[in-house]
Amino acid sequence: QVHLVQSGAEVQKPGASVKVSCKASGYKFTDYYMHWVRQAPGQGLEWMGRINPNSGGTDYARSFQGRVTMTRDTSINTVYMEVSRLTSDDMVVYYCAREVGDSDSYYFDYWGQGTLVTVSS
Amino acid sequence: EIVLTQSPGTLSLSPGERATLSCRASQSVSSSYFAWYQQKPGQAPRLLIYGASSRATGIPDRFSGSGSGTDFTLTISRLEPEDFAVYYCQQYGSSSWTFGQGTKVEIK
Repeated sequence: QVHLVQSGAEVQKPGASVKVSCKASGYKFTDYYMHWVRQAPGQGLEWMGRINPNSGGTDYARSFQGRVTMTRDTSINTVYMEVSRLTSDDMVVYYCAREVGDSDSYYFDYWGQGTLVTVSS
Repeated sequence: EIVLTQSPGTLSLSPGERATLSCRASQSVSSSYFAWYQQKPGQAPRLLIYGASSRATGIPDRFSGSGSGTDFTLTISRLEPEDFAVYYCQQYGSSSWTFGQGTKVEIK
């Protein structure tokens, strides 16, 4: 059974960085891209980017390039997403989501439980 | 970047009624790369429909998706109490994914 388990809630100061983890189980980790999606309170979903756990290659949404870094550790089936230079706009819930992608379809079939990041001085 | 616009913003209906949710894309989207998700308060989104019309595993057949090009529709044939939630459309194109802003289906 597929599970994506994210790290716990974080409190960070403005200007600091935060690193959120997502541990995968129940499938071959390197076979599926992992995405990060964020959601402000009461707002919609915003795609941030994705990582290829096999190669470590990344694709970032334009609005996050230069401020977000996605990495992985294949020895523990975990992907990480770090956001730098935090502002109050980054006070959101971050989700990881597994991509099913081939020439026929692209979608996110499993999601982590979400990690709330609070930015406060 | 392709922009997805969902309508209406809120749909007020009673259990047993039919719900029709719309998602319009700013440019043509491949049906293969179009999906719908359901989200309940405090929970992660859940995949409902992929490839514009294929139901995900375990999704009841009262949920159906249709559409192509720039216009897509999610239909819930008879609303059950557990269906009151927010629904998002999503598309993939040019190495980028975008979501609609969501439609809230609330109890009337």
